[in-house]
Amino acid sequence: TAGITQAPTSQILAAGRSMTLRCTQDMRHNAMYWYRQDLGLGLRLIHYSNTAGTTGKGEVPDGYSVSRANTDDFPLTLASAVPSQTSVYFCASSDTGGSEKLFFGSGTQLSVL
Amino acid sequence: ELKVEQNPLFLSMQEGKNYTIYCNYSTTSDRLYWYRQDPGKSLESLFVLLSNGAVKQEGRLMASLDTKARLSTLHITAAVHDLSATYFCAVDMVRPSGNTPLVFGKGTRLSVIA
Repeated sequence: TAGITQAPTSQILAAGRSMTLRCTQDMRHNAMYWYRQDLGLGLRLIHYSNTAGTTGKGEVPDGYSVSRANTDDFPLTLASAVPSQTSVYFCASSDTGGSEKLFFGSGTQLSVL
Repeated sequence: ELKVEQNPLFLSMQEGKNYTIYCNYSTTSDRLYWYRQDPGKSLESLFVLLSNGAVKQEGRLMASLDTKARLSTLHITAAVHDLSATYFCAVDMVRPSGNTPLVFGKGTRLSVIA
């Protein structure tokens, strides 16, 4: 079982460019999440979705957008990247909204120059 | 606003020693989670604690939850090098409209040295 697949694994992006980080899960989990991890700050929630067709804002949503057209996919888009968005991005899923343990993808290392 | 604080943030301990990592949170919740992250890797679930007084153990790690004190502990017994990692606690809250997403602490970076 693949679990959660994130792509790309890493990316260098010029400031001002747009990019979409992909996340796909095959566990039929209802809830999906995007976190960013920065040294000394732990994991901070960007956006989440409790079920297909719905999304919500997390702690640090500015500069990011998400969509949840179906159960399996939860892409994260940076419309116009800035250097402060340099981070490691983790996608995660859980069976129900906010409950039980999260399953994490392997992460995307993004550098915005 | 739910806040989660861990301490210490950095911990260097000798093999064979015992130590405890603490996780405090700011609002009432009966649900707490511990994760482990190895360098350059993703997070893996260690423990799920879903009630006051819950205690779970696996190997040299034992986690407990005191919801009245809003405190969870992760106790390490007779540390070995393989336990070197960053440990995160996380909390969510049950709501009628749907449970809230997990809020994570900043993590405790543990190094076990010979």
